[in-house]
Amino acid sequence: GNSVTQMEGPVTLSEEAFLTINCTYTATGYPSLFWYVQYPGEGLQLLLKATKADDKGSNKGFEATYRKETTSFHLEKGSVQVSDSAVYFCALREYGNKLVFGAGTILRVKS
Amino acid sequence: DAGVTQSPTHLIKTRGQQVTLRCSPKSGHDTVSWYQQALGQGPQFIFQYYEEEERQRGNFPDRFSGHQFPNYSSELNVNALLLGDSALYLCASSLEGNSGNTIYFGEGSWLTVV
Repeated sequence: GNSVTQMEGPVTLSEEAFLTINCTYTATGYPSLFWYVQYPGEGLQLLLKATKADDKGSNKGFEATYRKETTSFHLEKGSVQVSDSAVYFCALREYGNKLVFGAGTILRVKS
Repeated sequence: DAGVTQSPTHLIKTRGQQVTLRCSPKSGHDTVSWYQQALGQGPQFIFQYYEEEERQRGNFPDRFSGHQFPNYSSELNVNALLLGDSALYLCASSLEGNSGNTIYFGEGSWLTVV
């Protein structure tokens, strides 16, 4: 079946550092891809999405590009802030609006 | 416009008991999915409801059941609770028939089984 693999965390960075969180997927066809963020004690919020190959999703300074050649959707941000500390989930959408999630990556940003 | 709302926010149950969690989808959305998120893990798909019927189901036992009402709201029921059922239960809503739409999540219901 389809699956998503994320880099293990926690990822600990200093404020203003560059962030990359790796995500690769295994799927039949070319599913839509998503990054969701979960702040402590909260539910999931959609961060960005890409629906086809070579699409770039972006939001709040975060970016991810749908790479079908490498089946990847890595999350990047040029300068992280303490407020970006959260858990980040990569996900793909299967038929019928079902999401398959990775295990999540904890990001900790120190001031 | 209210987003996805879930209740209760937190609850504690004893092993063997039954629990019902509730979800109201985002306005205009007709499809509701439920996910279980154990501590330190990603959400796992439980099932999905559309037109008051279960349309898809993940790898969860029959102790997990659900219902969708004519107003699209939904309930998740878990019988014979086990300690391992302790988790955050997330409800997600979407609009059927539009593969480009966004799937919205509620804040979740934290279930602790003791």
